[in-house]
Amino acid sequence: QKEVEQNSGPLSVPEGAIASLNCTYSDRGSQSFFWYRQYSGKSPELIMSIYSNGDKEDGRFTAQLNKASQYVSLLIRDSQPSDSATYLCAVNREDDKIIFGKGTRLHILP
Amino acid sequence: NAGVTQTPKFQVLKTGQSMTLQCAQDMNHNSMYWYRQDPGMGLRLIYYSASEGTTDKGEVPNGYNVSRLNKREFSLRLESAAPSQTSVYFCASSESGFSYEQYFGPGTRLTVT
Repeated sequence: QKEVEQNSGPLSVPEGAIASLNCTYSDRGSQSFFWYRQYSGKSPELIMSIYSNGDKEDGRFTAQLNKASQYVSLLIRDSQPSDSATYLCAVNREDDKIIFGKGTRLHILP
Repeated sequence: NAGVTQTPKFQVLKTGQSMTLQCAQDMNHNSMYWYRQDPGMGLRLIYYSASEGTTDKGEVPNGYNVSRLNKREFSLRLESAAPSQTSVYFCASSESGFSYEQYFGPGTRLTVT
């Protein structure tokens, strides 16, 4: 099993709809979780971190963490064409090393 | 604040040549990191420096060396470049270790011929 798994996409979502991005991880002792957005040819940009089970909201973005099921998700409400990018999930393992998923390409349809 | 800066932005090397990639941060962060990003492979950690004066290997350290020059600066050196080192290199920093949010520089696109 890969350490951090994401569906590579592309995930196509109509403008104004909710985009749902998922990430599963294998290390049950992982404690810190991060979502990054990366536009083509640019560097990763931090969207949000989450450390506790439940939801964390920041503007149009909501991160959801379920440690028992070992998944973390990112919801983007009122999706905009500018949200079209690759979204990277990163997990800090119990041995204090970070692993990035390969990313999900999101395409918002105008 | 400039955040994390990297130089150069682009570089072409011939096999066997050496070069140093420079990284600096102005956020007073303790920890700094070097990653490479290849198509289909995602971001992979090369080396990191948890604090000034310390460096440790990451997932893919072979062929690279690093220097934490001071709290602000962390350089990555390729002693004898190989085509397999063609990649995009990102420097990042965080307040203190992997459990903190990392902030990335703009990247260096390196081609080794």
